[in-house]
Amino acid sequence: TQLLEQSPQFLSIQEGENLTVYCNSSSVFSSLQWYRQEPGEGPVLLVTVVTGGEVKKLKRLTFQFGDARKDSSLHITAAQTGDTGLYLCAGVPPTGSARQLTFGSGTQLTVLP
Amino acid sequence: GAGVSQSPSNKVTEKGKDVELRCDPISGHTALYWYRQRLGQGLEFLIYFQGNSAPDKSGLPSDRFSAERTGESVSTLTIQRTQQEDSAVYLCASSLVVTPTYNEQFFGPGTRLTVL
Repeated sequence: TQLLEQSPQFLSIQEGENLTVYCNSSSVFSSLQWYRQEPGEGPVLLVTVVTGGEVKKLKRLTFQFGDARKDSSLHITAAQTGDTGLYLCAGVPPTGSARQLTFGSGTQLTVLP
Repeated sequence: GAGVSQSPSNKVTEKGKDVELRCDPISGHTALYWYRQRLGQGLEFLIYFQGNSAPDKSGLPSDRFSAERTGESVSTLTIQRTQQEDSAVYLCASSLVVTPTYNEQFFGPGTRLTVL
């Protein structure tokens, strides 16, 4: 079983601060996705990273896939209250089938005004 | 509809009762997934449907859990003889394209199940 560990589990910061959350595994993934989930809603896909070392930017969010494709990070610059939510990473196994994602346990981010 | 819908949004039941949860995927999406999410945790895969292929049931936690899907439309997840440990949010997702490296899933809002 491929496991994804996310850290920190909880993060509370003031608006305007920067933060980084991590997604780590001992296993290789062919691609990795980041989702954000708000209370009472399902997760929404933010980005998919495929190539080792890849960096993708989405406005104030920067996503990085590790060179070995075992880990990923999400960096948020100048956090806003609207960034509050549960951030989930999900990996696609390298066995050729993307049908079953492995989800991490999530990082609950709270951005205070 | 524009997105994945699920019903009911909330379900409270007594231990031992059966429950049925419904998912309406995005029209045209051939893949459909069910997940379980316990409070503050990540998603636990339950079952996957792809077109007319046999479903992948490898995530179902016990034989009390079953799911059906008619063609590429509605799916129902049934939990028999519910236990308190079944209390969770049950999420459904659908996707249009599934490749070895890409699988964008669109999630419904979930059904919050509480077993008393």
